[in-house]
Amino acid sequence: DAKTTQPPSMDCAEGRAANLPCNHSTISGNEYVYWYRQIHSQGPQYIIHGLKNNETNEMASLIITEDRKSSTLILPHATLRDTAVYYCIVGSAGGTSYGKLTFGQGTILTVHP
Amino acid sequence: ETGVTQTPRHLVMGMTNKKSLKCEQHLGHNAMYWYKQSAKKPLELMFVYSLEERVENNSVPSRFSPECPNSSHLFLHLHTLQPEDSALYLCASSQEGRGSHEQYFGPGTRLTVT
Repeated sequence: DAKTTQPPSMDCAEGRAANLPCNHSTISGNEYVYWYRQIHSQGPQYIIHGLKNNETNEMASLIITEDRKSSTLILPHATLRDTAVYYCIVGSAGGTSYGKLTFGQGTILTVHP
Repeated sequence: ETGVTQTPRHLVMGMTNKKSLKCEQHLGHNAMYWYKQSAKKPLELMFVYSLEERVENNSVPSRFSPECPNSSHLFLHLHTLQPEDSALYLCASSQEGRGSHEQYFGPGTRLTVT
């Protein structure tokens, strides 16, 4: 699976958009980009995933560049409860029948009042 | 109950004890996972069960023994653990075969080995 690079930490003001970048320059054609987050001492929470097109759900938007070498997770109106570690993961089934996700260190997002 | 549940939420055990962690998923998924998260380290995948068969064992010591009796339940049996095994143990499930891998995690069991 391709590796990802994320900034170790970011800050965001409450109510503003949080834009979390991720580089995945070695991504291959059948690999998805996944975003998860982990609030302190809880299990990770799935946020969104995409292959080529931009995606949006009730939690966030995912913008993937045309060459697929980087992406941005956007939380449109960050709240204090969005403070968490955000993981960008590239994953593919390949020859397996299950999802193998490799978690890195992620980005610690701190939302402040 | 909805989602993925884990019991117990906290466990303290001595090095000579035997205990088991339990995970149950209520999502109708066909794959289940055990992860370990030590302090200040990324999540490490330990075991994967797909359609109740173990399909991955990431060089985990034999003092950790998984069991998947059916698609909804997953256990992690622990015996003669070491203090460095103290960690947050997370269970996850997913529905495989659709080409993407959204995994849904439980709240974890915080294990302390004394």
